[in-house]
Amino acid sequence: GENVEQHPSTLSVQEGDSAVIKCTYSDSASNYFPWYKQELGKGPQLIIDIRSNVGEKKDQRIAVTLNKTAKHFSLHITETQPEDSAVYFCAASRPFPGSARQLTFGSGTQLTVLP
Amino acid sequence: DAGITQSPRHKVTETGTPVTLRCHQTENHRYMYWYRQDPGHGLRLIHYSYGVKDTDKGEVSDGYSVSRSKTEDFLLTLESATSSQTSVYFCAIQGASEQYFGPGTRLTVT
Repeated sequence: GENVEQHPSTLSVQEGDSAVIKCTYSDSASNYFPWYKQELGKGPQLIIDIRSNVGEKKDQRIAVTLNKTAKHFSLHITETQPEDSAVYFCAASRPFPGSARQLTFGSGTQLTVLP
Repeated sequence: DAGITQSPRHKVTETGTPVTLRCHQTENHRYMYWYRQDPGHGLRLIHYSYGVKDTDKGEVSDGYSVSRSKTEDFLLTLESATSSQTSVYFCAIQGASEQYFGPGTRLTVT
């Protein structure tokens, strides 16, 4: 089955600096890669996703890049703010029969933005 | 929010007792999922549903069963709870490809 590894497990940055979180996946059939942000006591919130036919996607201060050959994808957050502090999860998915998707998650990165 | 509620939000139960968690959606989505979250493991899929009365197993399905008698409700049952099932349980619904998560249920088995 799919295996997703995520690094680093913790990351501290100064407010205004950039943060990068990296993930690798094992299943070459995976074709959908979402990123989630989870605040304490809440459910994961989808922040950005990318499909395997695209190499990069950007949404304001957040961007995701995908290298299918190397089987890795990364989350980039620019101009970090204290409210970006949270746990971030990457995931990879291959399609099931029909349109169901099994997401395989990384183990998470605790991002702390220092004021 | 994605129109997902989970109940109860917190539960403490004893080993060997049955427990049912409920997920309710107002979005009329076909696909629903149950995950568990444990430290160091991210989220892992327990079961999912692709329609009323249509369910299938995920990665960590042993000790769990599910039912879906209506589009809006997806139930997760622990027939005989064990301490290893202490976890936070999340329900998710799926749009085109993206999944949206509920607020979670924290279950403690003593």
